[in-house]
Amino acid sequence: EVQLVESGGGLVQPGRSLKLSCVASGFTFNNYWMTWIRQAPGKGLEWVASITNTGGSTYYPDSVKGRFTISRDNAKSTLYLQMNSLRSEDTATYYCTRLGRTVAAFAYWGQGTLVTVSS
Amino acid sequence: DIRMTQSPASLSASLGETVNIECLASEDIYSDLAWYQQKPGKSPQLLIYNANSLQNGVPSRFSGSGSGTQYSLKINSLQSEDVATYFCQQYNNYPLTFGSGTKLEIK
Repeated sequence: EVQLVESGGGLVQPGRSLKLSCVASGFTFNNYWMTWIRQAPGKGLEWVASITNTGGSTYYPDSVKGRFTISRDNAKSTLYLQMNSLRSEDTATYYCTRLGRTVAAFAYWGQGTLVTVSS
Repeated sequence: DIRMTQSPASLSASLGETVNIECLASEDIYSDLAWYQQKPGKSPQLLIYNANSLQNGVPSRFSGSGSGTQYSLKINSLQSEDVATYFCQQYNNYPLTFGSGTKLEIK
């Protein structure tokens, strides 16, 4: 069974940094691209970052480019999101996601970890 | 960026009814469209991919259709467990983008 378990969320002051982790199990981690998606309280979904299966390429929207860094450790089956220069608008639940085996949509989601940016 | 315009924003329907949710892309996305269901307090779940393919384990009362820039999600015989917010998402091009969501309630 595919499992994605996020951790690392919490309350952080504006301008500070935070690193999220996602431990994956139930599948061969290094075969899959991975993605972070976030959801502000009561709002819609926003794509945050994607990384190829080898970690050789990464993709970001303009809203986080230059501030957030996605990375992975295939030996530990773990995905990361380093978030720097955090802003109040980064307050959200962050989900770790994986595409389906033959499906280019997000078939697997973690339970999410809440990041609150506030002074 | 591809903008996904989803309608309606909210919907109230009776048990057993059929409901339709629409998603309009700002440019052709060549059926690279998914629909997700998010129940209160839960993570989103994939319902439909490639515009009309049903994800494993999803009840057959859910169906998707459309092409080009216009897509829709249809729910037949509405059940109480279908109360949720539904999102469309395009994966034709980066940045990946989502519709703003449709909150479905039972009348």
